[in-house]
Amino acid sequence: QKEVEQDPGPLSVPEGAIVSLNCTYSNSAFQYFMWYRQYSRKGPELLMYTYSSGNKEDGRFTAQVDKSSKYISLFIRDSQPSDSATYLCAMINAGNMLTFGGGTRLMVKP
Amino acid sequence: GVTQSPTHLIKTRGQQVTLRCSSQSGHNTVSWYQQALGQGPQFIFQYYREEENGRGNFPPRFSGLQFPNDSSELNVNALELDDSALYLCASRSGGGADTQYFGPGTRLTVL
Repeated sequence: QKEVEQDPGPLSVPEGAIVSLNCTYSNSAFQYFMWYRQYSRKGPELLMYTYSSGNKEDGRFTAQVDKSSKYISLFIRDSQPSDSATYLCAMINAGNMLTFGGGTRLMVKP
Repeated sequence: GVTQSPTHLIKTRGQQVTLRCSSQSGHNTVSWYQQALGQGPQFIFQYYREEENGRGNFPPRFSGLQFPNDSSELNVNALELDDSALYLCASRSGGGADTQYFGPGTRLTVL
């Protein structure tokens, strides 16, 4: 079993929809939680970073962490075609090493 | 930013390959990741001030070097078909792993 599980998709939604992306994890040592966006032929870029249970909002993006359930989510409001990309969740343990989920491919159709 | 070379590379099984990364200026920590097609990146190892200070679950035929001029290398010996992947480097200056910047990657194909 992988430490971080993520539905690979693809997830196809119409423009303007609310998108929900999720990851589950098994390692209680994970302390920090991130969401990255990766466009085709590009490296991942950091979208959101959280370290505690609860919600964090940044523009159209909301990251949610539930440590008791070992479950994290990313919500995208008013999705745009430019949001079409692969979304990767990632987590850091005490050793400051990143562990990524497998990524969810999102397609937002005009 | 972080740059990597070459963009694409084709090798045959058993060969050796060297991938290069140029970190953002002043960044003293560089990490390398392997991303197989349709998968998330997997941590290979990390270098801090030219010393390896962390390693993922990769065999010794994966090795690296970090130079004082903000450049680094990933070397892979005895290439296997499963080594075909996108290789990403990421650099940062102190701080947590969340502060690192990724390069665009090198696509390696092993035939």
